[in-house]
Parts: sequence; structure tokens; C-alpha cells
Amino acid sequence: SQQGEEDPQALSIQEGENATMNCSYKTSINNLQWYRQNSGRGLVHLILIRSNEREKHSGRLRVTLDTSKKSSSLLITASRAADTASYFCATAGNQFYFGTGTSLTVIP
Amino acid sequence: EAGVAQSPRYKIIEKRQSVAFWCNPISGHATLYWYQQILGQGPKLLIQFQNNGVVDDSQLPKDRFSAERLKGVDSTLKIQPAKLEDSAVYLCASSPRTSGGARSDTQYFGPGTRLTVL
Repeated sequence: SQQGEEDPQALSIQEGENATMNCSYKTSINNLQWYRQNSGRGLVHLILIRSNEREKHSGRLRVTLDTSKKSSSLLITASRAADTASYFCATAGNQFYFGTGTSLTVIP
Repeated sequence: EAGVAQSPRYKIIEKRQSVAFWCNPISGHATLYWYQQILGQGPKLLIQFQNNGVVDDSQLPKDRFSAERLKGVDSTLKIQPAKLEDSAVYLCASSPRTSGGARSDTQYFGPGTRLTVL
């Protein structure tokens, strides 16, 4: 079974709002990564957070990691229509697992 | 630099037929991955190569799936014979020399091959 479970499965917001998606996982990890996938395309790496880090920023992205709760969150600030995509967390430990994904729709 | 190349982009076959997918990773990337992504799900790792050796094939259905990376560069994934449930997008990814563990690197994905089994 897949390692990561993401919440919510689908999210629809207005342009300019913030979007938050969460990822929970089951076992110990070396790092956790977030990827984006536009419809019908391959995945694009967004950000990597190591197991000894608690928060990381990259442009409009903010990722948090709580290893005690085995959870991570991805915040996209000031969303744009072009942010519409599916977002996946991926855990890197003894094995590499992708989560189930959150489908984000940003309405112009 | 050129990205990960995959071919074909689309393939339609009937069940029990055979099919092969090809992947050329980013130049110099030691690690190559094959994933299966069923519609509405996250990618599932099928096999991971480090140069031309297999690192992880625990989720590869070995009775029908096979993969090789003979020269440590490009790779092929084969399904023989195909079943209806093999309909999915097959993604190839590569990552550079690994550090801190073979599965820790950022991965760069190709566009995928969409397989439809009728």
C-alpha cells in the first residue's frame, strides 16, 4: 500500500487565496518531497524537506514537517490560476512512496 | 539540459499482447526509476536502477513485467502478456548521483507513456 495519504483529495479556491494540503505517512523517513503534476503531464519536483528540518520556504511555497506526528503540509500563498494541478507528497526512507494526491483548482 | 525522454507517448493494445516502453534519462544521472500511475492515484514505484543494477523491484509484478538497463543509461520496461488492469501511465524518472541513500534524491520525470489495454 502507498505510504502517504493526502488531505483533502480535492480543493477549489479563488485566485489570490492560500491553499493548504496535508500529507500523513506511516514509517520513518530521510526526507519528504512535494511534486506537482499538470493534467496529462509528468511530475515536477517542488521542494524537499529533510527529516531534521521543520519548515522550508521556496517562493510562494511553504512546507512544514512534523516527524513526531508523521505529517507534512504544503502551503501555496497568493494562488494563481496556473497553480491548478495535482500535488503529491513523496516520502524517502527505506523505500520511496508517493501519496494519493490533492487536486487543486484555482478559479480566476 | 535535455529532460527525461520517453517513448511512445501513447500505446493501445489488446489484452495478452506484449508492449515495451523506452526511457532515456538525463545525461549523467545514475539512478533511474519506473513508476505505474493508475488514473486518480499517485505513482507506484515498479523498479529502481542504480547504474545498471537493480536497487528495488519489490513492487514489480515479475510474472509479467520486466525491465533492463544494460549499459546503465537508457532503459526498457516490458509487459508480457498485458492485462486490462495494466492500463495506466508509465512514468520514468532519473536522479543524479545519490547521497544519503539511494532513495533520497530529487527525481526528474519524463512525460510518461499512456497505455490502454482493451
